[in-house]
Amino acid sequence: NAGVTQTPKFRVLKTGQSMTLLCAQDMNHEYMYWYRQDPGMGLRLIHYSVGEGTTAKGEVPDGYNVSRLKKQNFLLGLESAAPSQTSVYFCASSYGGLLAGSETQYFGPGTRLLVL
Amino acid sequence: AQSVTQLGSHVSVSEGALVLLRCNYSSSVPPYLFWYVQYPNQGLQLLLKYTTGATLVKGINGFEAEFKKSETSFHLTKPSAHMSDAAEYFCAVFPSNAGNMLTFGGGTRLMVKP
Repeated sequence: NAGVTQTPKFRVLKTGQSMTLLCAQDMNHEYMYWYRQDPGMGLRLIHYSVGEGTTAKGEVPDGYNVSRLKKQNFLLGLESAAPSQTSVYFCASSYGGLLAGSETQYFGPGTRLLVL
Repeated sequence: AQSVTQLGSHVSVSEGALVLLRCNYSSSVPPYLFWYVQYPNQGLQLLLKYTTGATLVKGINGFEAEFKKSETSFHLTKPSAHMSDAAEYFCAVFPSNAGNMLTFGGGTRLMVKP
């Protein structure tokens, strides 16, 4: 049982380049999330998904897109990277349902992204 | 509307001393409250959570937190710090300002001195 995995672990981009971060979970969770972590700001939600084929905007969605074509995978895309997107990105997943807000989120190990 | 404030971005204690990490929230609805811990170069993992019922919540590794509605607080404590407790701790509240999602505090880095 791998839990939540993220690829790649580290990436350096030049301004304007694009890339996709992959998140995979093997816990059959309905909900998946992408966060960014910046010093002193905690984690901020970028986008999330409440099921296969559905996505929604979080707190800081600008400059990012997501897709959830398969239940176990949640992809985060940067179409044109900017230095302000330098951050550590975390994926998480949780059970869904009526009590989704009280459910534990399970986090991946993170992806460090540096945009030059 | 929800927000989370963690007082003290860095807290240093001696091994064996009491650990107290503070979390205050603002809430217009009854909240769910969480503490997550992040060890170096790892993702977050749940320490404990309050949803309903008993206001004193016990978590893993000897940590506990008490939901005090009158003080809008959810402080995290441990009677005796261990070197392995050195990590960053995040308080979170549901729902957030933006809707049905978590809002995290800025985090508190706990350092444990031998």
